[in-house]
Amino acid sequence: GQQLNQSPQSMFIQEGEDVSMNCTSSSIFNTWLWYKQDPGEGPVLLIALYKAGELTSNGRLTAQFGITRKDSFLNISASIPSDVGIYFCAASALQGAQKLVFGQGTRLTINP
Amino acid sequence: GAVVSQHPSRVICKSGTSVKIECRSLDFQATTMFWYRQFPKQSLMLMATSNEGSKATYEQGVEKDKFLINHASLTLSTLTVTSAHPEDSSFYICSASEGLPWATQYFGPGTRLTVL
Repeated sequence: GQQLNQSPQSMFIQEGEDVSMNCTSSSIFNTWLWYKQDPGEGPVLLIALYKAGELTSNGRLTAQFGITRKDSFLNISASIPSDVGIYFCAASALQGAQKLVFGQGTRLTINP
Repeated sequence: GAVVSQHPSRVICKSGTSVKIECRSLDFQATTMFWYRQFPKQSLMLMATSNEGSKATYEQGVEKDKFLINHASLTLSTLTVTSAHPEDSSFYICSASEGLPWATQYFGPGTRLTVL
């Protein structure tokens, strides 16, 4: 079945550092999404990408939809303590966020 | 942004009982709603997709007679876990979408189910 390989699984960084994480797949997807989940909460949408090659920013966050449609990355610049959490990539083979497949998550820990 | 609520946020029940979880889209019409299950330190796994007014589509390995889904209106979907057992203990999360092209999914806050 379709799978997303998300890396790294965990990151331990200093406050102020930049963060980069990515998702790859052997399958083609038409929509990529990045979510953040805090403990005991549902995922919150960070960025949605709908076109191959698309580069989108949301404040300190930047994400790109890979040109091959098989990968995506998320960068966080100048990390702050509230960036702590689990980041998930998600993708859909359909146009729009229907029937999502999720990556395994990247757990971000920030040392003040 | 779009808001999705879930109720209850936590539920503890005895083995063999049934539990109903509600998912509501508060400020948009959700043509499609999704139900996910998340075990500790794992990712979200899609259980089923429901479209308003029609039967839910279940993912492979999900028992439709055990996890009853009703999507009777454009703002409400319910998941009923029937005859719950300890192995059904998990974090259940719903999401909602307007169902349009380019429409994204907005997630509820989740429901923690513990079956004793």
